[in-house]
Amino acid sequence: NAGVTQTPKFRVLKTGQSMTLLCAQDMNHEYMYWYRQDPGMGLRLIHYSVGEGTTAKGEVPDGYNVSRLKKQNFLLGLESAAPSQTSVYFCASSYAGPTDTQYFGPGTRLTVL
Amino acid sequence: EDQVTQSPEALRLQEGESSSLNCSYTVSGLRGLFWYRQDPGKGPEFLFTLYSAGEEKEKERLKATLTKKESFLHITAPKPEDSATYLCAVSSGGSYIPTFGRGTSLIVHP
Repeated sequence: NAGVTQTPKFRVLKTGQSMTLLCAQDMNHEYMYWYRQDPGMGLRLIHYSVGEGTTAKGEVPDGYNVSRLKKQNFLLGLESAAPSQTSVYFCASSYAGPTDTQYFGPGTRLTVL
Repeated sequence: EDQVTQSPEALRLQEGESSSLNCSYTVSGLRGLFWYRQDPGKGPEFLFTLYSAGEEKEKERLKATLTKKESFLHITAPKPEDSATYLCAVSSGGSYIPTFGRGTSLIVHP
């Protein structure tokens, strides 16, 4: 099992450009999450999904959109990137909700110039 | 609003020097407290989940304990490979949004 994978690993964008981050898991987990991690701050939840076809806002959803068209994939989109979105993005998945173990991907380092 | 505070921010130990990391929390209705380990450039790796005060869990040199206000991650006779950032998170009430602390950066010198 590959666990949770993220694509790409690194990306540099210019302000105003758009991009999509892909998260895939092969553990048949229902729940998937997108976090961002910034220096000096804890992980913050952007959006999450409790199952295929569902999405919900987390703590810091502004400027991001998500889709969960297939159970194994969770996409995070930035429609018009801003420098404030420079961060490391982590995807995670769990079988049974937020009190269950979350398995994290390796992260995507995004820089917005 | 849930709050999680980890201390110290950074900790340097000599190999074999036991110590503890602290995670203080303020939540309404704790559902779970989580400890993760994060190596540089990698995603967090799950260590423990604690659900109620008095609960303890162990894994190799690590032992996690929980009270009504805080959790401790005890590291016994640490080795250099234990060097990492240790993250604490809580889940409470009916929220799907876990709250993470800022982490404790641990360096173990040989």
